[in-house]
Amino acid sequence: AQSVSQHNHHVILSEAASLELGCNYSYGGTVNLFWYVQYPGQHLQLLLKYFSGDPLVKGIKGFEAEFIKSKFSFNLRKPSVQWSDTAEYFCAVTINTNAGKSTFGDGTTLTVKP
Amino acid sequence: EAQVTQNPRYLITVTGKKLTVTCSQNMNHEYMSWYRQDPGLGLRQIYYSMNVEVTDKGDVPEGYKVSRKEKRNFPLILESPSPNQTSLYFCASGVGLSTDTQYFGPGTRLTVL
Repeated sequence: AQSVSQHNHHVILSEAASLELGCNYSYGGTVNLFWYVQYPGQHLQLLLKYFSGDPLVKGIKGFEAEFIKSKFSFNLRKPSVQWSDTAEYFCAVTINTNAGKSTFGDGTTLTVKP
Repeated sequence: EAQVTQNPRYLITVTGKKLTVTCSQNMNHEYMSWYRQDPGLGLRQIYYSMNVEVTDKGDVPEGYKVSRKEKRNFPLILESPSPNQTSLYFCASGVGLSTDTQYFGPGTRLTVL
């Protein structure tokens, strides 16, 4: 069974600081990887996803993530955060051989100080 | 507007009183799923459905039931709720397999006394 680990539970940054949120998964086969974001009072929505191809994927609002297969990682980055990036971020993994099953990490709460 | 709706949004109930949380999507998605979100535990999958009349257990199915009689609806049933089912519940839908993007509802905050 797959599992997902997010290392940072709460991150506090000042505006314009750079962001990197860690995500590691445990599964030896082919995976599909996602980052979802939940802004205060809003639905969870997709930030970006990786299925195959270029391991550096770009998402909405200037976010990007890099899939490093050898490290089983899919870290989320943004070069310069804004106050509006304050939200909870979830990493998730699915595997093609067990379609239907989705595994999410514990989430990381990001607070950006103006 | 494409969306996933859940009702009720907030519910306070007592132990043992059966309840149903409805979920409906208007995007003609085959895939639907239920999650619960608890502090420090992230989202955990309860049940999912790949299509009408096809449902399967997620990681935390105990104490829950689901049905998928129509494509658009995927209700979550708690036959005898207990306090440890106090949580924030999310329904999601997706095109085809869960291996693609999921679209989430607004959440239902359930308190079981």
